Amino acid sequence: DTAVSQTPKYLVTQMGNDKSIKCEQNLGHDTMYWYKQDSKKFLKIMFSYNNKELIINETVPNRFSPKSPDKAHLNLHINSLELGDSAVYFCASRIGTGSSPLHFGNGTRLTVT
Amino acid sequence: EDQVTQSPEALRLQEGESSSLNCSYTVSGLRGLFWYRQDPGKGPEFLFTLYSAGEEKEKERLKATLTKKESFLHITAPKPEDSATYLCAVQPQGAQKLVFGQGTRLTINP
Repeated sequence: DTAVSQTPKYLVTQMGNDKSIKCEQNLGHDTMYWYKQDSKKFLKIMFSYNNKELIINETVPNRFSPKSPDKAHLNLHINSLELGDSAVYFCASRIGTGSSPLHFGNGTRLTVT
Repeated sequence: EDQVTQSPEALRLQEGESSSLNCSYTVSGLRGLFWYRQDPGKGPEFLFTLYSAGEEKEKERLKATLTKKESFLHITAPKPEDSATYLCAVQPQGAQKLVFGQGTRLTINP
């Protein structure tokens, strides 16, 4: 199936731990994004890469570090997790850097206890 | 600052009862306005892109329209399977990101 896939789907961890979320797309897109969706369903941009180059870096704590080993993969590493990091994290991709639609994965629900 | 506001926050309709969802936006030049549908536990699913005022797009029971300040998603004779959260997003000119509204949670009762 062609898709944007994220792993894991659920992540429950304790404060202070370090965790990673992985994203892969097989749509042939060259731009990928991380969005955070809070409890009120509000989607907020975090990062974007185009062909492995960082093009968007919003005001996000530097505990969050994205990495794009190639244009089909975008990972998110989070250090020293805090309660406020609990949210659903969505990966998305699109063709190029124009105005084509974003295609989203099904999200990773992160719960920090 | 680029901003998107959707109303109402939640809408409950009877099957077959047509209505409209509103998306008001302020943006420094519009590159595109996007409508998405999101089901519980899933990622947003793309519905439409509108680029300029006066443009309209249709898909099954849904029709999206655009003016210089807002967009409407009209739903005609909805069915229970149309129940979802509908998200509106804008892409400002010169930007690569989409700025989302908070969504309208639509429930269609049989």
